[in-house]
Amino acid sequence: DIQMTQSPSTLSASVGDRVTITCRASQNINSWLAWYQQKPGKAPKLLIYQASTLQSGVPSRFSGSGSGTEFTLTISSLQPDDSATYYCQQYNSYLYTFGQGTKLEIK
Amino acid sequence: QVQLVESGGGVVQPGRSLRLSCAASGFTFSSYGMHWVRQAPGKGLEWVGVIAYDGSNKYHADSVKGRFTISRDNSKNTLYLQMNSLRPEDTAVYYCAKSARSGYGIVIASLDEWGQGTLVTVSS
Repeated sequence: DIQMTQSPSTLSASVGDRVTITCRASQNINSWLAWYQQKPGKAPKLLIYQASTLQSGVPSRFSGSGSGTEFTLTISSLQPDDSATYYCQQYNSYLYTFGQGTKLEIK
Repeated sequence: QVQLVESGGGVVQPGRSLRLSCAASGFTFSSYGMHWVRQAPGKGLEWVGVIAYDGSNKYHADSVKGRFTISRDNSKNTLYLQMNSLRPEDTAVYYCAKSARSGYGIVIASLDEWGQGTLVTVSS
């Protein structure tokens, strides 16, 4: 199975900061990577698919990049509403896997 | 708009069975693959399995293979998860989710719509 490793596990930043979360795959997944945002008690929400394509309705301050085994999610100017846990997910094979999550806190 | 509503969760003893349902509306259910994803209390997301648009193919995570089975009834716009031989470590919120792309077979794609989840607690 493909393993996904996110870093950092937790992150604290201030409003207006530029924030980057990294996701590494244990093998080449091309660009078959998605990013999700989850707030407490809520279902995950798709932010980015195919590594860099913004899902409809998602603010443009979110962006994704990478291919192969290394990927990043960037928030260009952090907003209070961005406090959440973020997950990457690979879908290169029929057996999908998620990263362990990155909890983002607003200072 | 798309709606996915899970039901069937509850408290069950170890070794027993439970069937979850996910009622879909707002899209052509019979055209999309569907997934189950779970989340143990305070933990991350774990993919459980996927079923093709017509039920002809399905894949399950190793952690549930042989115990859980995904199925669907396109005439009822409903997805199911049959869970047998339940273990305490199966305790989680179970989400159904829709594949972002339609197509034949198992279409590999992100998950663009999610239900609100149903809690399963396995405890004696």
